[in-house]
Parts: sequence; structure tokens; C-alpha cells
Amino acid sequence: DTEVTQTPKHLVMGMTNKKSLKCEQHMGHRAMYWYKQKAKKPPELMFVYSYEKLSINESVPSRFSPECPNSSLLNLHLHALQPEDSALYLCASSQGPEPYNEQFFGPGTRLTVL
Amino acid sequence: AQKVTQAQTEISVVEKEDVTLDCVYETRDTTYYLFWYKQPPSGELVFLIRRNSFDEQNEISGRYSWNFQKSTSSFNFTITASQVVDSAVYFCALTIVKTSYDKVIFGPGTSLSVIP
Repeated sequence: DTEVTQTPKHLVMGMTNKKSLKCEQHMGHRAMYWYKQKAKKPPELMFVYSYEKLSINESVPSRFSPECPNSSLLNLHLHALQPEDSALYLCASSQGPEPYNEQFFGPGTRLTVL
Repeated sequence: AQKVTQAQTEISVVEKEDVTLDCVYETRDTTYYLFWYKQPPSGELVFLIRRNSFDEQNEISGRYSWNFQKSTSSFNFTITASQVVDSAVYFCALTIVKTSYDKVIFGPGTSLSVIP
């Protein structure tokens, strides 16, 4: 299995809602990532989990809360989002956190905040 | 500071034409890695190639070829005999070894449209 899966594919939520994005990989990768991508822009790194521990938080607002329940799963909990948080949220994984590893990306969750 | 520049924002070619996507990078580090990723309309980025800073050998994979030149800090990507399925956004990216984690510095991307 060489893919990263993400659910849901699309999500519409109000500013007072709480929702979660889910990401799963079964490649035995030990690093997992959350990216945010706005239209016509490159992905922006949000969080890095390395061996199931949060290693990097790129100054992301607390309304985004990551969780790594085990080595195959990565969640992103959303609460009190703003309309400007509407974007494509991409999950990725790599064999390890080292810079030479290529990343494998999921298809993303397209989030709309009303 | 590290930076990746892709000067071509959008390119349109007619099917079967060759096309080259430019990538220029900046880093003071001597050890680094360069990548190309493809993002089709479906959304997921697909890894195409990795090159480390000590390996300037050009690479060919089918219709794809890459030209890495340290002297000009460039890592250009050529698609030969383009096909409609090549239509996508292509990102050039850089990682450096001295960071303790794999933070990918993406270029802004080049949107390629291949017209039948």
C-alpha cells in the first residue's frame, strides 16, 4: 500500500463548528505532515510529527490542533475557524524526518469555512 | 536564507511539443536536496525526482529529464513530446541537511497546460 488517504474530501463548516480531518498511511513511515494550500500557491507547512511526537509547529493558530494517535494516523482538529482558513489541507508522510526523504501526499481535504 | 524561484507562472504548449520548466534555488549550504513534485487537478502532489547537491548527473526517465547545474543554481525539468496528462502544476523544492527535520521549501509552482 503506497498511498496516503484523507477524509473527508470536502468539508463545509461554520465558524462555531468543531470538525476533524483524518489522514492515514500504511507504508511504515515515521514522519507525517499537515500542509495548508491556498489556490495558486505552494503548500505551506503547518505541523510535523516525527515518530509520533509533534516536532514542528509552524506558528499555527491554536484553532488548529493536531493529533497523532499512532504511527499510521494523523488528525487535525478544527475549532472556531475563520473564513480565511478555507483552503486545501494536505497530509503527507515520509520514511523519516530527514531532509533527503521524499514526501508522499494525500489527495487533500478541501475546506470551506462559512 | 533558502529560496526557490520558478519564474514561469503559466505555460501552454500544444501536445507533442517539448517544454522546459525552470527552477533556480538559493542556499548557502553545501549539502542540500532538490525535488520536483507534480500536482494534477486531483490535488495530491506526486514526487517525481530527488537530487542531492553532490550529484550533478542529469537524469532521464521516459519523457522526463532533469538538468542540474550547480554553477547556475538551477534544476530544470524538461518534458519531451508533452501529453495532455502532463497538465498540472509543477513544484520545484529544496531541503537542507542542517535542519533537524524535513522542511520542504517549495517554489511558487509552474502551471502547465498541454492543449490537444
